[in-house]
Amino acid sequence: DAGITQSPRHKVTETGTPVTLRCHQTENHRYMYWYRQDPGHGLRLIHYSYGVKDTDKGEVSDGYSVSRSKTEDFLLTLESATSSQTSVYFCAISVETGGTDTQYFGPGTRLTVL
Amino acid sequence: QKEVEQNSGPLSVPEGAIASLNCTYSDRGSQSFFWYRQYSGKSPELIMSIYSNGDKEDGRFTAQLNKASQYVSLLIRDSQPSDSATYLCAVNLEYSGAGSYQLTFGKGTKLSVIP
Repeated sequence: DAGITQSPRHKVTETGTPVTLRCHQTENHRYMYWYRQDPGHGLRLIHYSYGVKDTDKGEVSDGYSVSRSKTEDFLLTLESATSSQTSVYFCAISVETGGTDTQYFGPGTRLTVL
Repeated sequence: QKEVEQNSGPLSVPEGAIASLNCTYSDRGSQSFFWYRQYSGKSPELIMSIYSNGDKEDGRFTAQLNKASQYVSLLIRDSQPSDSATYLCAVNLEYSGAGSYQLTFGKGTKLSVIP
């Protein structure tokens, strides 16, 4: 699992409430990513980080914000959750080997917005 | 639009047969190609990466890459019921025309190996 943990693993919340998901890694990898996975859409990139306080948007960033104040933690925040954000969220880290980068995924968080 | 395309399946093969999974991609500049396996309710797990044209073998798995045809495939020999999963193709595609590349996933092919 490349030393990645996600918390919480399951969450049910109501529309309009703020939600923060946490991704924690133990190996000081520079790049971290947040994806969502939905039936019929596959994995889509939300935001990524290339270092402490360095983040950028992905394909589906609207309604999400991220923060990375420490190398090991990458937080994903839904400021005001909507039903369309019901999904499974995966965190990933990128490991460089021999000049190429390979992504490894955490266990995922299943979020339900009622 | 930059895309990675896979047949959604389901692909059903008998135990012991060869399963062939296919993927096409839109960006001729792509250099890195990956296959992930995802069991139901679990996270994607890397099984193969390939960067050069030709075949790359790892145990029962063979990845094949043809950059001219923008095509990458995964062969699973001697398929086992434990291979039943969704297989995700992932390609580094140029993102936002800025010369940076992001990993883009296909929607996955569901494989069922019938005992």
